[in-house]
Amino acid sequence: QVQLQQWGAGLLKPSETLSLTCAVYGGSFSGFHWSWIRQPAGKGLEWIGKISHSGSTNYNPSLKSRVTISLDTSKNQFSLKLSSVTAADTAVYYCARAYSGYDYLFGYWGQGTLVTVSS
Amino acid sequence: DIQMTQSPSSVSASVGDRVTITCRASQGISSWLAWYQQKPGKAPKLLIYAASSLQSGVPSRFSGSGSGTDFTLTIFSLQPEDFATYYCQQANSFPLTFGGGTKVEIK
Repeated sequence: QVQLQQWGAGLLKPSETLSLTCAVYGGSFSGFHWSWIRQPAGKGLEWIGKISHSGSTNYNPSLKSRVTISLDTSKNQFSLKLSSVTAADTAVYYCARAYSGYDYLFGYWGQGTLVTVSS
Repeated sequence: DIQMTQSPSSVSASVGDRVTITCRASQGISSWLAWYQQKPGKAPKLLIYAASSLQSGVPSRFSGSGSGTDFTLTIFSLQPEDFATYYCQQANSFPLTFGGGTKVEIK
């Protein structure tokens, strides 16, 4: 059974860098695409970006200048960094794995991490 | 970017009702569409992939249809556990985008 467990700092000050990590348990790490998605309170879902098992990345243009997604295959983990955060980055952040055979649909999700940006 | 427009934004229904949610893409996406269910405080759950394929373990009262730009999620005979928010998502091109969500509420 595939499980994604995520963690990271939940309270940041404006201009700091958000850093989250997602660990994958069960199933294969290679051969899949791994994404980060966020959701402001009471609002919809926004895809942040993804990394493939080979390390190739795609980012949402709205965040591209501030986002870095990386992976550590030795630990079956992937990470998100978002620099220069503002209050607009306050949201629940989810990590997600592609659904088998469909690289850009999300079949498995982490539990979510609430990140609050406040001075 | 491909814009995904869901309607209605909310719907009130009773147990046993049939509920239909629509999702329109701003350009053709073939069948590269998924539907998710999200309950408060929980991560979304994949219900339908490739527009009409039911994810394993999802009850057969959920059905998806459509291709190109117009898609539909139908819940036949709404059950108490189906009260939630539903999102469509296109997987045709980057950036991947979601619809604004449809909240299914108890009437």
